[in-house]
Amino acid sequence: GEDVEQSLFLSVREGDSSVINCTYTDSSSTYLYWYKQEPGAGLQLLTYIFSNMDMKQDQRLTVLLNKKDKHLSLRIADTQTGDSAIYFCAESTARGNTPLVFGKGTRLSVIA
Amino acid sequence: GAVVSQHPSWVICKSGTSVKIECRSLDFQATTMFWYRQFPKQSLMLMATSNEGSKATYEQGVEKDKFLINHASLTLSTLTVTSAHPEDSSFYICSVAGGSYEQYFGPGTRLTVT
Repeated sequence: GEDVEQSLFLSVREGDSSVINCTYTDSSSTYLYWYKQEPGAGLQLLTYIFSNMDMKQDQRLTVLLNKKDKHLSLRIADTQTGDSAIYFCAESTARGNTPLVFGKGTRLSVIA
Repeated sequence: GAVVSQHPSWVICKSGTSVKIECRSLDFQATTMFWYRQFPKQSLMLMATSNEGSKATYEQGVEKDKFLINHASLTLSTLTVTSAHPEDSSFYICSVAGGSYEQYFGPGTRLTVT
């Protein structure tokens, strides 16, 4: 079945860039997502990328996709303490009517 | 994006009782909703897919008689945990999908069974 892997922890200093990495196994993955979850809260969609794209940038967020290596990354520029949260990578093979397969999440800690 | 609410946000119940969790799509007609479960410090695991007007599709290992799902309208799906036990304590999250690329998640319901 599909599998999505992420490193569990990342710690960065305020103002530095954060890079969260994700690998997936399903070569038919079409849509790849990054969600943010703050303590005790639901999931907030940060950004998504289609498999025919290599990069997507949205303000401080940059997503890079290497489809050959099945590797996805999320770069957060000028990381702030408010960025401390768990970041989930997820993939889907079709449009929104199919469920997402999530990674275990990367806990980002930002040190002031 | 779509606004999704869940009610209640936190519930504590005694073992053996049943609990109903509501998931509402406030501004979006959701033909499909998904129910996920998240154990502490773990990822979201899909429990079932709820389609408006038809029976839910459950993932392997999820007891359909224990987790009753009803999707009676395009804006409401309910998950009822029947005869709850402490091992059912978890964070239950719903999401809505309407055919676009995005899925919108509710804020989650924390269930604690004592």
